[in-house]
Amino acid sequence: GNSVTQMEGPVTLSEEAFLTINCTYTATGYPSLFWYVQYPGEGLQLLLKATKADDKGSNKGFEATYRKETTSFHLEKGSVQVSDSAVYFCASTGGGNKLTFGTGTQLKVEL
Amino acid sequence: GAVVSQHPSWVICKSGTSVKIECRSLDFQATTMFWYRQFPKQSLMLMATSNEGSKATYEQGVEKDKFLINHASLTLSTLTVTSAHPEDSSFYICSAPEGGESNQPQHFGDGTRLSIL
Repeated sequence: GNSVTQMEGPVTLSEEAFLTINCTYTATGYPSLFWYVQYPGEGLQLLLKATKADDKGSNKGFEATYRKETTSFHLEKGSVQVSDSAVYFCASTGGGNKLTFGTGTQLKVEL
Repeated sequence: GAVVSQHPSWVICKSGTSVKIECRSLDFQATTMFWYRQFPKQSLMLMATSNEGSKATYEQGVEKDKFLINHASLTLSTLTVTSAHPEDSSFYICSAPEGGESNQPQHFGDGTRLSIL
């Protein structure tokens, strides 16, 4: 079955620092890949997605590239802000829209 | 954009009572919805897939008689936690894919925090 592995947190950065959160997946076939963000006490919001190899998803300064050769979908942002503090989940789809989530990575950005 | 509404957002009740949580797709139809459970500082665990017009599909280890799911219409799914006990306390989240393809993102409700005393 599908699985998603992402780096453990928490990750603490200073404002304007560079962010990388690693994510790798295992899957049969060619899954779609997603990054979701969860702010405290809220549900999940889609941050970005990629549906095929070499696709780059981007939103709000965040980027991730679907790398089939390394089965990875690492999340990056060049300059983080305090408002980016949240939990980030990497996810992949198998058949029937069923999402498989990574364990989540908590990001804390400090002034 | 597409929105999923989940209600209530917070429930506190006594042990032994049943609690119903609603999940609505507000501007799109969803033949399938998903119910997740999230423990503090942990990932989402898929509990079941709610199917409009047919029985829900439960993940391994999830008690179907404990967590009743009804997909009454193309815009509404409900999760009822029956005879709730303190160990059922958790954050429950629903989601619905806007389209039928697996490459379409899912829209999540804001979650329901359930506390059983």
